[in-house]
Amino acid sequence: LAKTTQPISMDSYEGQEVNITCSHNNIATNDYITWYQQFPSQGPRFIIQGYKTKVTNEVASLFIPADRKSSTLSLPRVSLSDTAVYYCLVGDRPNTGGFKTIFGAGTRLFVKA
Amino acid sequence: NAGVTQTPKFQVLKTGQSMTLQCAQDMNHNSMYWYRQDPGMGLRLIYYSASEGTTDKGEVPNGYNVSRLNKREFSLRLESAAPSQTSVYFCASSETSQETQYFGPGTRLLVL
Repeated sequence: LAKTTQPISMDSYEGQEVNITCSHNNIATNDYITWYQQFPSQGPRFIIQGYKTKVTNEVASLFIPADRKSSTLSLPRVSLSDTAVYYCLVGDRPNTGGFKTIFGAGTRLFVKA
Repeated sequence: NAGVTQTPKFQVLKTGQSMTLQCAQDMNHNSMYWYRQDPGMGLRLIYYSASEGTTDKGEVPNGYNVSRLNKREFSLRLESAAPSQTSVYFCASSETSQETQYFGPGTRLLVL
């Protein structure tokens, strides 16, 4: 089963760029990489999704190397409101069929003033 | 669109009681999911439904049952609640199993 590994926590200051890396060594050919953000007492919220190379939207960028065994979420110029838990998610299709989502423990980002 | 809605928002049960958590989505999504999140932990998949009429176990299915009532609704039932099931329960839906998941606000369950 594809699993992900992320740093447990990170600290940053307002205005800095934050890069969170996720390892997914067993990623399957058809799997996409998705990142979610979760604030306290709320459900996770989609940030960005990619398959390879680089994806950018109004919130973040996602960098995926050619071997796809890792990915890096980049948050430009973070603010206090970016303090949250960030989850890296890789689709997982076991041989028996179906789909099982594997959320790791996530990375707790704390942005300081 | 309301997105994904969950009821109730909060529930207290005694050990051995049963209850059903309700989830509905109005986005015409095919896939729906139930997760639990324990304090300070990530989400763990309990059950999922890839499409209407199908359900399958996730990582932690023991002690739970689900029903995909129709395309919109996916319920989670605890037949005999245990203190270990104290958690926050999130329902989610997605257009297909590889698409973005949209989460509900969660149900906080306390089992005494």
